[in-house]
Amino acid sequence: DVKVTQSSRYLVKRTGEKVFLECVQDMDHENMFWYRQDPGLGLRLIYFSYDVKMKEKGDIPEGYSVSREKKERFSLILESASTNQTSMYLCATAGENGYTFGSGTRLTVV
Amino acid sequence: QKEVEQDPGPLSVPEGAIVSLNCTYSNSAFQYFMWYRQYSRKGPELLMYTYSSGNKEDGRFTAQVDKSSKYISLFIRDSQPSDSATYLCAMPRAAGNKLTFGGGTRVLVKP
Repeated sequence: DVKVTQSSRYLVKRTGEKVFLECVQDMDHENMFWYRQDPGLGLRLIYFSYDVKMKEKGDIPEGYSVSREKKERFSLILESASTNQTSMYLCATAGENGYTFGSGTRLTVV
Repeated sequence: QKEVEQDPGPLSVPEGAIVSLNCTYSNSAFQYFMWYRQYSRKGPELLMYTYSSGNKEDGRFTAQVDKSSKYISLFIRDSQPSDSATYLCAMPRAAGNKLTFGGGTRVLVKP
């Protein structure tokens, strides 16, 4: 079974802080994704990566950046956290059997 | 208008009832259709996927696609309390592996 591990389940950060969300997969999947999930809005794509050091903006990239230095690790960076970035963040990989998601990181920005 | 619309619920049914979920979409380029199940405090997991119009069955679950109406459905027969979750429809975009998700419908199956 593919495992996607997100390092933190819950995070509380202050406005203006730089925040790192980490995601690690244990299969050799090339495609990795970061989504945020908000009530009534569903999952929205922030960034995705199709290979090491390769990244593309998703639908809502503003205020975020990503890093993929190794195939198994995809990091989401909030450059200067704001309260409207309070959300559930989900990392996913894509393989031949579809997406596999991590358990999510619930981030609260105060 | 969102590309994929889904009633947020909650949809509350007694145990053993049939659960009926649906999504409408506006982009006729969508060719593949997926249903994900998400339990509380967990990530979504793939439940079913289907490509063509018509029905696809997997145990107690039936996925139905009507491309002419841009309408997809998921039916859960003999619902169980363990089916209580949020169900999300999703469709791959033409380019790459990116998915467009509906907002999800929360389902509560009461014993």
